[in-house]
Amino acid sequence: IVLTQSPGTLSLSPGERATLSCRASQSITGRYLDLAWYQQKPGQAPRLLIYGASSRATGIPDRFSGSGSGTDFTLTISRLEPEDFAVYYCHHYGISRYTFGQGTKLEIK
Amino acid sequence: QVQLVESGGGLVKPGGSLRLSCTVSGFPLSDDDMNWIRQAPGKGLEWISHSSRGGTYRDYADSVRGRFSISRDNANNSVYLQMNSLRVEDTAIYYCARGVNFDFWGQGTLVTVSS
Repeated sequence: IVLTQSPGTLSLSPGERATLSCRASQSITGRYLDLAWYQQKPGQAPRLLIYGASSRATGIPDRFSGSGSGTDFTLTISRLEPEDFAVYYCHHYGISRYTFGQGTKLEIK
Repeated sequence: QVQLVESGGGLVKPGGSLRLSCTVSGFPLSDDDMNWIRQAPGKGLEWISHSSRGGTYRDYADSVRGRFSISRDNANNSVYLQMNSLRVEDTAIYYCARGVNFDFWGQGTLVTVSS
């Protein structure tokens, strides 16, 4: 399965809403309906935000939400905080192999 | 708390070998699958290897299959990545990450392959 993220770069201001897309080349179904989202800041390891397409990881603020099914998944940040500007990756776990999207850079406008 | 610490990175010539270690604490290693993921300079994330909890099932990305080998020592809370026949394009930060969701990551160790 290939994951394609869009847009490549998203320029927004603090307080605005961010919508990031992750599209799979095949439908993600079955037991391993596992689509996750990660945030990575410069010089840091990625951090898990969302797993199972819509479940927030421990300690993740509720302004982050995940949705979607089949081939189309979305990460939404309801009101951007200054610390949210980073690169975001989607990830799929399947029976065969793990796949990352190429990332969306969320930058301050 | 859960911690993962990678070590063993460094500078190596093309064709050389390196062994990375990931030492975990805060949870029993035997409870979780483990993975290695890498990130080339300025690039995205690339999953490269997976080990099941007991170590019997292992999987690799096509880019490293036949050259890299994952292993683990649950008693000593460590996961390893043996990297052979290294290429310039293997230059990256190598991270270990826990579970199928990659819920915890180490800080990474830099591997530079250069002559």
